[in-house]
Amino acid sequence: GAVVSQHPSRVICKSGTSVKIECRSLDFQATTMFWYRQFPKQSLMLMATSNEGSKATYEQGVEKDKFLINHASLTLSTLTVTSAHPEDSSFYICSARERGTQYFGPGTRLLVL
Amino acid sequence: QQPVQSPQAVILREGEDAVINCSSSKALYSVHWYRQKHGEAPVFLMILLKGGEQKGHEKISASFNEKKQQSSLYLTASQLSYSGTYFCGTERQAGTALIFGKGTTLSVSS
Repeated sequence: GAVVSQHPSRVICKSGTSVKIECRSLDFQATTMFWYRQFPKQSLMLMATSNEGSKATYEQGVEKDKFLINHASLTLSTLTVTSAHPEDSSFYICSARERGTQYFGPGTRLLVL
Repeated sequence: QQPVQSPQAVILREGEDAVINCSSSKALYSVHWYRQKHGEAPVFLMILLKGGEQKGHEKISASFNEKKQQSSLYLTASQLSYSGTYFCGTERQAGTALIFGKGTTLSVSS
C-alpha cells in the first residue's frame, strides 16, 4: 500500500509555544490530506481537510487560527499548533487517499507541559 | 454523524470467531475497516463500496448492507495478532474524509 510519513513522531513543548507537524505522501501525490486527533482510548476525530493550493476545511469546533494547516505541495501538508496548551496534548494523525483507500501516517504524539 | 459500533469490547481465546458491527443513520458511499494497536496508527484492512459487496482478507472478511447502512467485520479462527482496536470509517460521498466509530477493542488470549 501507499506510504504516509509524519514528522516528528513525538514532541514535548512548553505551554505557549508553537509546534509544526509535517505529513508527507512518499510514493504518491495527494491533493487532499486529512488531519485527525485522538485522545487516549477514544476514536479518531477529524479536525480538518487539507487541500493542495487552497484553504483547509475545518470541522465544527476546531479553531482554524489555532490549528494552522498549509498544503503547499502535492506531497506535503503541515499542521501548526499555535500557542499550545496542555489540553492540546494528544495523538495527531494525518492521512492521505490513494486510489480510494485512506492511508494513515504513523502519528505524532504531542505533550504540552 | 458518527457511525455506531458494537460491541464495545470482545474477549476471545485463540481460534474463536468474532463479529463487529458498524451502522450509520445516513446513506453511505463506502465503509472502511482499520485495526489499531496500542500507541500506533490505524492500519487499513479493507474497503467496501455501496452495492452490498463482501470482501475477504485471509481469515478476516466483511460485508456491507447498503439498504440497512450496516457493515460487519468477521474474524474467524482468531490469532493473538488480531488483538487491537477495530474502527470502521464511513464515507458519505466519494473522496470525503472518513468519520470513525468509537471502536471495538478485541483481546485474544492463548
